[in-house]
Amino acid sequence: KQEVTQIPAALSVPEGENLVLNCSFTDSAIYNLQWFRQDPGKGLTSLLLIQSSQREQTSGRLNASLDKSSGRSTLYIAASQPGDSATYLCAVRGSQGGSEKLVFGKGTKLTVNP
Amino acid sequence: GAVVSQHPSWVICKSGTSVKIECRSLDFQATTMFWYRQFPKQSLMLMATSNEGSKATYEQGVEKDKFLINHASLTLSTLTVTSAHPEDSSFYICSARPITEKLFFGSGTQLSVL
Repeated sequence: KQEVTQIPAALSVPEGENLVLNCSFTDSAIYNLQWFRQDPGKGLTSLLLIQSSQREQTSGRLNASLDKSSGRSTLYIAASQPGDSATYLCAVRGSQGGSEKLVFGKGTKLTVNP
Repeated sequence: GAVVSQHPSWVICKSGTSVKIECRSLDFQATTMFWYRQFPKQSLMLMATSNEGSKATYEQGVEKDKFLINHASLTLSTLTVTSAHPEDSSFYICSARPITEKLFFGSGTQLSVL
């Protein structure tokens, strides 16, 4: 059974700081991994998707890496801004039997202080 | 990006009543939609996969008679929580996938059962 763990559970940083969020998963047989942002009481916004054959994806100030063999992914946020404050979720999609099920971590709650 | 609309955003109801939540893909057709549930400080958990024109596929432990799913068209799936009880209070969120690999989520529905 796939399990996804995100560390830390919460993180508070001053504006401008670079930061790294961590995600680990127990079953390396994944189809892809996706990072989402969740704002309080709202839905999820997809940030980056990494296919199992890829090592990293970049979008603006965000960079996500994937090391499938070790079951790890990181989300790097450069020059953080108060608007980046949100909960960041990592989710993996399994590769077995064409499953579309995503398994989510509990998230990292990020606060960027002005 | 693709837009998934979910309604209502929040609902408060009395124990024993039924609540219907709608999920619409606004700018794409979705033969498959997904319903997730999130309890406070817990991960998003897949409840069921909604298939257009056929029966939904429920995850283990999810009561299909309690959580009725109807996917009547390529742009609409509904989740009805029948005879809701306080333990059903949760954040319910739907998602759909257009032709791309990314999943797009609705804004979620916060259900509170008194």
